[in-house]
Order: sequence, then C-alpha cells, then structure tokens
Amino acid sequence: AQTVTQSQPEMSVQEAETVTLSCTYDTSESDYYLFWYKQPPSRQMILVIRQEAYKQQNATENRFSVNFQKAAKSFSLKISDSQLGDAAMYFCAYRSSSTSGTYKYIFGTGTRLKVLA
Amino acid sequence: EAQVTQNPRYLITVTGKKLTVTCSQNMNHEYMSWYRQDPGLGLRQIYYSMNVEVTDKGDVPEGYKVSRKEKRNFPLILESPSPNQTSLYFCASSLYLTSREFFGPGTRLTVL
Repeated sequence: AQTVTQSQPEMSVQEAETVTLSCTYDTSESDYYLFWYKQPPSRQMILVIRQEAYKQQNATENRFSVNFQKAAKSFSLKISDSQLGDAAMYFCAYRSSSTSGTYKYIFGTGTRLKVLA
Repeated sequence: EAQVTQNPRYLITVTGKKLTVTCSQNMNHEYMSWYRQDPGLGLRQIYYSMNVEVTDKGDVPEGYKVSRKEKRNFPLILESPSPNQTSLYFCASSLYLTSREFFGPGTRLTVL
C-alpha cells in the first residue's frame, strides 16, 4: 500500500525568505501523481502544485516549486519570497494513475508553516 | 460560480442518531470523494465514487455509507454515529481521474 510521510510537523520562515517542506512517499507503481495542498485557517483546501510522475521536469507555480526525485521517492515544496499569506498547513498527497483502476488519494499528516514578520 | 457545497457546515449530535451530510458539485465532475481530517493524521479518504452508482471504499470506510444516484450529489451517511466519528469532513470532486480535486468548505461534526 502507498504511504506519504511528512516528517516536519512545523516549520518557520522569515518573511521574504525561502523555505522547503519535505515529503517522501512509498509506492510500487511507476505512474502516479503528486500534489501539494494548502489549508489556511479558513480550513479551505487549496491546490498549490501538481506533478505527474512521468514528467522529469519539476513543476512550478509562481513562487512555488517542487523538487521531484522519483528514484528517491521524494517530493519537496519550495516557497520563495515567503509572504504572511503563506502561513498555513501544507499537505502532500499521492494519487495512483488511471491505469490502477482506483481513485484513492493518500495524504500526509501535514506541515504547519509559520511566517514571521 | 464553480463550487462544491456541503451542508451542514457545523453539526453537534448524539451517539446513535442517524445523520446525513450532503455534498453537491456544479462542475459536472465524474469523480467525488469524502475525507475526514483529524489532528496529526492528515486527511483520510472514506469513500469515493467514479461515476453514478459506482462507489468504492477508501482507507477508513467503517461506520459510513454513501450513495451516488445523481452525478452532482454524493451524500455521506452515518447510520449510528459514535464519538470517534467526531471530525472535520471534506467532500471533493474531480473532472477526470488524473485531475486536481476541488474541495468543499468542510463540515465540523461533533458526536456526544
């Protein structure tokens, strides 16, 4: 069974600095999708970034980028130029590909990010 | 506005009293899921549906039921709620199997 591990329960970053959130996963599949979701105090789940495992190029979305290491099964999120609005809980998530025939999502336990002014 | 709606947003109930949390999406999405979020455990998938009348268990289905009679609706049913089902519940939908999920605003359930 697939697992997702976020080993940092909490992280802090100074405003305008860069922070990296770690995520590792375990799977025997070769094709899958990885996601980072942000959950601010409003509790709304917001997609930050999405990565297809078959793509070698790391996904980027403005100040957010990932370091996807397929062989190491690592999927870290880098936030550049951190802003106060980035303070939230961040979840890493794994989804099997369509060939698996399932629609299971596996989430990590989350990393709470604090941004210091 | 494209969205996933859940009702109620907050619910306090007692052990054994059947309840239903509704979920509806207006994006014509095929795929829908229910999750529960507990401190230190992240989100765990309860049930999912890949189409009308097609549902399957996620990681924590015990004590829950679902149905998908219409494409837009995916209610979560607790036949006999227990205190260990006190949690924050999210409904989500996705256009394709490989697309991102759109989440509802969450339902905070307390079972006394």
